[in-house]
Amino acid sequence: SQQGEEDPQALSIQEGENATMNCSYKTSINNLQWYRQNSGRGLVHLILIRSNEREKHSGRLRVTLDTSKKSSSLLITASRAADTASYFCATLFGSSNTGKLIFGQGTTLQVKP
Amino acid sequence: ETGVTQTPRHLVMGMTNKKSLKCEQHLGHNAMYWYKQSAKKPLELMFVYNFKEQTENNSVPSRFSPECPNSSHLFLHLHTLQPEDSALYLCASSQGWASYEQYFGPGTRLTVT
Repeated sequence: SQQGEEDPQALSIQEGENATMNCSYKTSINNLQWYRQNSGRGLVHLILIRSNEREKHSGRLRVTLDTSKKSSSLLITASRAADTASYFCATLFGSSNTGKLIFGQGTTLQVKP
Repeated sequence: ETGVTQTPRHLVMGMTNKKSLKCEQHLGHNAMYWYKQSAKKPLELMFVYNFKEQTENNSVPSRFSPECPNSSHLFLHLHTLQPEDSALYLCASSQGWASYEQYFGPGTRLTVT
């Protein structure tokens, strides 16, 4: 399977702590994207990191990409109860014009107040 | 979520019914997507339209029939569905095909009885 695989499948932390989620994939990618989904709702795009980038930041989010290890991580710092959601990585295989975006199964994050 | 809207939000239909899901994007995007999200399975890409032309049909059964009359509207026509088709159906759009971040609607929760 080409899909990204998130680890862990579930994560429970206290408010204020940091949360780290990992994504691994199997073949070369064009870019990797992270999305958040609140229960039963649509996905919200968080960050896109291209294959020639190593790190990107957006507010309390930090994404790293290691193409040699075919892995990415999403770090949420100073977590809040509102961060409770499922987080998915999605990898773009193939060219930017014809590739497919393939989603992993996600990490369910619970942030306890 | 107001950038991409989906109707209805919930749908219960029998296996002999015919119904349609509607998606509308107000973002000026050129690509639109249908995804299926079942419990404990990764998000599955069903169809892709780029500039109103279907560019991807991910081996979806013919009981699902997409229609894209213009770049802002996408429909999914349903007929003679099976109980295993019960899922959350998500519509998404992006500025261009594949390499861009996708914006999702809230989804239609479909139950086939």
